[in-house]
Amino acid sequence: DAMVIQNPRYQVTQFGKPVTLSCSQTLNHNVMYWYQQKSSQAPKLLFHYYDKDFNNEADTPDNFQSRRPNTSFCFLDIRSPGLGDAAMYLCATSQDSYEQYFGPGTRLTVT
Amino acid sequence: GEDVEQSLFLSVREGDSSVINCTYTDSSSTYLYWYKQEPGAGLQLLTYIFSNMDMKQDQRLTVLLNKKDKHLSLRIADTQTGDSAIYFCAEKRAGGSYIPTFGRGTSLIVHP
Repeated sequence: DAMVIQNPRYQVTQFGKPVTLSCSQTLNHNVMYWYQQKSSQAPKLLFHYYDKDFNNEADTPDNFQSRRPNTSFCFLDIRSPGLGDAAMYLCATSQDSYEQYFGPGTRLTVT
Repeated sequence: GEDVEQSLFLSVREGDSSVINCTYTDSSSTYLYWYKQEPGAGLQLLTYIFSNMDMKQDQRLTVLLNKKDKHLSLRIADTQTGDSAIYFCAEKRAGGSYIPTFGRGTSLIVHP
């Protein structure tokens, strides 16, 4: 089945220790998104790639970076995680501006 | 206020109908979506409606759109315990970003 896969599902990192979250897709969609979701809140868009073009949201902290080496993979790098970065991180894909398909998410804990 | 608003909680009895409501502010919205999120999981697209439609039905799901009042609802018939989840309303606007704007989600609790 075509899908959006996120690894790992649960990630624990230490305060200030860099961490990378991974997303892959078999849908061959040209757009990939990273969202941060905290409890009882809407998903908050961090950035997205439209093909190879990187689009950063204005209020995304510099601490968050992303890489998309090819169509199928996209990574979220958190350079120095703080306690406030503990959240669910959701990857999504779409073909152009059509509906988004979400992965299962990675739950990040910062100790 | 927020661009997309939803009530935070809804509790229903198993077998009853659930109605989850959403209001939005932008009259240029072209598509309106309902997503379901089960505990510890990502968002699953349930259904969507074009802004030129009033109603869309898909098995147990009925979406109603009132463009004049900028009001969207999702009705789930014969609600089951497996329907317990958070339901997000989202809108996509014409002429601007193609990124949808999400509401905060309505937590649906189905009890026996």
